[in-house]
Amino acid sequence: SAVISQKPSRDICQRGTSLTIQCQVDSQVTMMFWYRQQPGQSLTLIATANQGSEATYESGFVIDKFPISRPNLTFSTLTVSNMSPEDSSIYLCSVENRFAGASNEQFFGPGTRLTVL
Amino acid sequence: AQRVTQPEKLLSVFKGAPVELKCNYSYSGSPELFWYVQYSRQRLQLLLRHISRESIKGFTADLNKGETSFHLKKPFAQEEDSAMYYCALFTGGGNKLTFGTGTQLKVEL
Repeated sequence: SAVISQKPSRDICQRGTSLTIQCQVDSQVTMMFWYRQQPGQSLTLIATANQGSEATYESGFVIDKFPISRPNLTFSTLTVSNMSPEDSSIYLCSVENRFAGASNEQFFGPGTRLTVL
Repeated sequence: AQRVTQPEKLLSVFKGAPVELKCNYSYSGSPELFWYVQYSRQRLQLLLRHISRESIKGFTADLNKGETSFHLKKPFAQEEDSAMYYCALFTGGGNKLTFGTGTQLKVEL
């Protein structure tokens, strides 16, 4: 299994500002994903972070609001731009390692708890 | 579009009682289903997957394609089973997991 860390673990931000969340994996992985979990809600996939190319966004999420980078096979960032209180949520990074075989199993980071005032 | 439904937000049982966490799915393709668990102050982790057909921590789940269900069961609940449980559907076309809303299991002494 992969060990995943996220920074920051939590933050309180003012509306209109942006926050970049980092996700670091201890080994090279094929797939990296970003999820959002709003209060009392389930996990919703924001996008798939593609190494060396633009992320693939799910319906309802756009690059201008959630720019994503993935410069290599162990690291990705998610930026929440021009934040509003509705962006208050837990943001989770997950990975799937197809180098280890096609398992479709995802491993999750500890999450970043974001509060927007 | 794919969907996962977990009808119970909260399930409270006594220690030693049987547990069944319900999960129904909607998907036109061949489903691959998972149960994830999140214990207090821990990260989300995989509990089991239907293709493994194994028992993890005493839990089992059988995929019923006729009823489009993947209920999680355990014959005797333990206090340490108290956690949040999410059912998830993998859709190969998009390589993504769709999660249910989760069921909070509380095992009381």
